[in-house]
Amino acid sequence: QKEVEQDPGPLSVPEGAIVSLNCTYSNSAFQYFMWYRQYSRKGPELLMYTYSSGNKEDGRFTAQVDKSSKYISLFIRDSQPSDSATYLCAMIGQGAQKLVFGQGTRLTINP
Amino acid sequence: ETGVTQTPRHLVMGMTNKKSLKCEQHLGHNAMYWYKQSAKKPLELMFVYSLEERVENNSVPSRFSPECPNSSHLFLHLHTLQPEDSALYLCASSQLTSGGNEQFFGPGTRLTVL
Repeated sequence: QKEVEQDPGPLSVPEGAIVSLNCTYSNSAFQYFMWYRQYSRKGPELLMYTYSSGNKEDGRFTAQVDKSSKYISLFIRDSQPSDSATYLCAMIGQGAQKLVFGQGTRLTINP
Repeated sequence: ETGVTQTPRHLVMGMTNKKSLKCEQHLGHNAMYWYKQSAKKPLELMFVYSLEERVENNSVPSRFSPECPNSSHLFLHLHTLQPEDSALYLCASSQLTSGGNEQFFGPGTRLTVL
């Protein structure tokens, strides 16, 4: 079993839709959860960073962590064509050095 | 320069060539990483340097040789590569603390081995 599972997609939605991206994980030691956005032929860019369970909002983006279910989500409201990218979830335990990544979900927002 | 920079951005090499990838971080971080990103696979951690000391080597073949001369610079020396080594090679840096480990990535070097 992979430590982090993420549906690779591709996911295609119309402009303005609410997008939901998800990851599940198996290691209960993970405490910090991140979402990276990666445009084609670029490096991943840190989008959201959360600690433990709960929600974090930044503009059109909301990150949710449910540690009891070992499930994290990223919601994108009012999606734009510029949001088209691959989204990678990543997580790590307290004081650890090694981030564990999901496979990434390729998202396309259609005008 | 800001953030994490990598050179070259693109590299084509034959299997008998020797080349090096360079990474520089301008964030004052104390840890640096090399990752390999292949199509349809999760990011693969190759090497970790913490305070210029290698702390992790994820069973990477010896044809990849890292070097960290100081906390701002990281190199990946390549020799006698195979076509399956073609991938995007990403460098990242972070400030290791007792908490989480936010890593910041460079733009990557797209490597093609002929």
